[in-house]
Amino acid sequence: AQSVSQHNHHVILSEAASLELGCNYSYGGTVNLFWYVQYPGQHLQLLLKYFSGDPLVKGIKGFEAEFIKSKFSFNLRKPSVQWSDTAEYFCAVRGATNKLIFGTGTLLAVQP
Amino acid sequence: EAQVTQNPRYLITVTGKKLTVTCSQNMNHEYMSWYRQDPGLGLRQIYYSMNVEVTDKGDVPEGYKVSRKEKRNFPLILESPSPNQTSLYFCASSLSLAGETQYFGPGTRLLVL
Repeated sequence: AQSVSQHNHHVILSEAASLELGCNYSYGGTVNLFWYVQYPGQHLQLLLKYFSGDPLVKGIKGFEAEFIKSKFSFNLRKPSVQWSDTAEYFCAVRGATNKLIFGTGTLLAVQP
Repeated sequence: EAQVTQNPRYLITVTGKKLTVTCSQNMNHEYMSWYRQDPGLGLRQIYYSMNVEVTDKGDVPEGYKVSRKEKRNFPLILESPSPNQTSLYFCASSLSLAGETQYFGPGTRLLVL
């Protein structure tokens, strides 16, 4: 069965620090990969997505993610975080079942 | 403005009292789904619908019903709510199923006493 793992449950960073959030999935076939962000009290918004092509995907607000097929990973990165990046981040995968499976989320707190 | 709307946004109810959470989208999307979000568990899919009159169970359908009589609406029905259904619920829609981005509603926070 498809599953998604986000190993970091809570991350605390200072402003200007670099960010990398891990996401690993278990599915051997073709996948679509997503990162969503949920700001406090708001609904989920799409940060970026990978369907095919260049494995380095750039999203909104300076975020990027790299799809590494051999590692079944789709880690999210940002070179320099801001206080406004404080949010919960969800990785999601869609495989052959066409169901969108979410990870358990990573809560990021950025200290000013 | 393209959006997914949910009502109510907040609801406190008692065990066994039937309730409906409405979801509506104005983007002519075929695919709609309901998720519940619980701490430490992420989002789990309750039900989804690929088009009018076509619905199917997600990962956690027990205790819930849905209907899709019109393309734009996809209500979630709790016939006899129980405290373990206390959660944050999100409706989502996308143009089609495969390879499409889902757009999420603002969420409905439900407390069942």
